[in-house]
Amino acid sequence: QQPVQSPQAVILREGEDAVINCSSSKALYSVHWYRQKHGEAPVFLMILLKGGEQKGHEKISASFNEKKQQSSLYLTASQLSYSGTYFCGTVEWQGGKLIFGQGTELSVKP
Amino acid sequence: GAVVSQHPSWVICKSGTSVKIECRSLDFQATTMFWYRQFPKQSLMLMATSNEGSKATYEQGVEKDKFLINHASLTLSTLTVTSAHPEDSSFYICSAIPSGRNLAYEQYFGPGTRLTVT
Repeated sequence: QQPVQSPQAVILREGEDAVINCSSSKALYSVHWYRQKHGEAPVFLMILLKGGEQKGHEKISASFNEKKQQSSLYLTASQLSYSGTYFCGTVEWQGGKLIFGQGTELSVKP
Repeated sequence: GAVVSQHPSWVICKSGTSVKIECRSLDFQATTMFWYRQFPKQSLMLMATSNEGSKATYEQGVEKDKFLINHASLTLSTLTVTSAHPEDSSFYICSAIPSGRNLAYEQYFGPGTRLTVT
């Protein structure tokens, strides 16, 4: 079951914040976040496993609400290098495979 | 560490011919590898799960006779697109999980292969 991401696209000015949401209709084992630049392979950002878990790296962080089967990616004080398409990938319990959402295109302007 | 390579990085072939794409885990063994396909401005769609020494598991709607997957060793999986047609033109990406790990861990992606069928 493909997770649903929102918004589909967002345009930011450098320094602004953004939130990207990912939701599933299935119980989730893990949520993976990736960023992809045009023509390149996706780059791993982080994995969340447990309900209530939050992780972060520099100014990008994420949370996982297991009960709601939702995850959110937070980008603070955005930089030009943050531009790209962000994908969440979800693994269902007993699923054994990573299924990607449709993606959120993020553009950061100077 | 944890590098996955793909070969070729791009290929152009004529309609009706077959193309083989290799996915190698360079510094780890991978019992399980995955093949994804991505059309322009779309998501990565899982095509199949490849397990070393056994038949691949294909996702619904993916023709197993058209997309042949062979995972003959713990470091190599191959995808052969048989009788390719222009609609098979796409970006094909493989990923691998180190043996002994599951999807609680990062899976490592190759750089992708861009296939163009003329």
